[in-house]
Amino acid sequence: NAGVTQTPKFQVLKTGQSMTLQCAQDMNHEYMSWYRQDPGMGLRLIHYSVGAGITDQGEVPNGYNVSRSTTEDFPLRLLSAAPSQTSVYFCASSYRVSETQYFGPGTRLLVL
Amino acid sequence: GENVEQHPSTLSVQEGDSAVIKCTYSDSASNYFPWYKQELGKRPQLIIDIRSNVGEKKDQRIAVTLNKTAKHFSLHITETQPEDSAVYFCAARLKGGGADGLTFGKGTHLIIQP
Repeated sequence: NAGVTQTPKFQVLKTGQSMTLQCAQDMNHEYMSWYRQDPGMGLRLIHYSVGAGITDQGEVPNGYNVSRSTTEDFPLRLLSAAPSQTSVYFCASSYRVSETQYFGPGTRLLVL
Repeated sequence: GENVEQHPSTLSVQEGDSAVIKCTYSDSASNYFPWYKQELGKRPQLIIDIRSNVGEKKDQRIAVTLNKTAKHFSLHITETQPEDSAVYFCAARLKGGGADGLTFGKGTHLIIQP
């Protein structure tokens, strides 16, 4: 049981490049979410999904896309990277939003 | 949308003393309030949570209290130990504006002085 996994651990991008952050869980959780963490800002919800085929926007969705084709996977796509997207990104999963959310190890992204 | 205020931003206590972290929230419809602990360079991990139909919950040295009328909740850690040093985040389930997720406070850096 690997829990929540994320790849890559660290990535450097140039402004305007696109990339996909991968997230997978093996706990059969319905609810999955993406957060970004910036110094002094806590964690902010980017997008979330309540089940396969269903996604919705969180607090800071601009510049990001998500899809949920399977229960296990929830990738986050940066369409055209900007320096303001430099952050640590965490994926999380749970049975429901009001249950224990299990976080992945995070992806540290630097946009130059 | 939901707003969660957390205080203090930094808290330094002597080992063995108690620590209290306080949060307030804006949406009276919020019904779920978890607390997460994050050690340096690690992922956040749930330490305790409380639902709106309960006023207090305790797990060994950790307790959380909820005052729905005042819209605030607090984390209490007793007999603090060096391993309690970390950043603690409160959160509330966000229900307004159509989104359904957690809104986090900005965190409290707890320092346990030996």
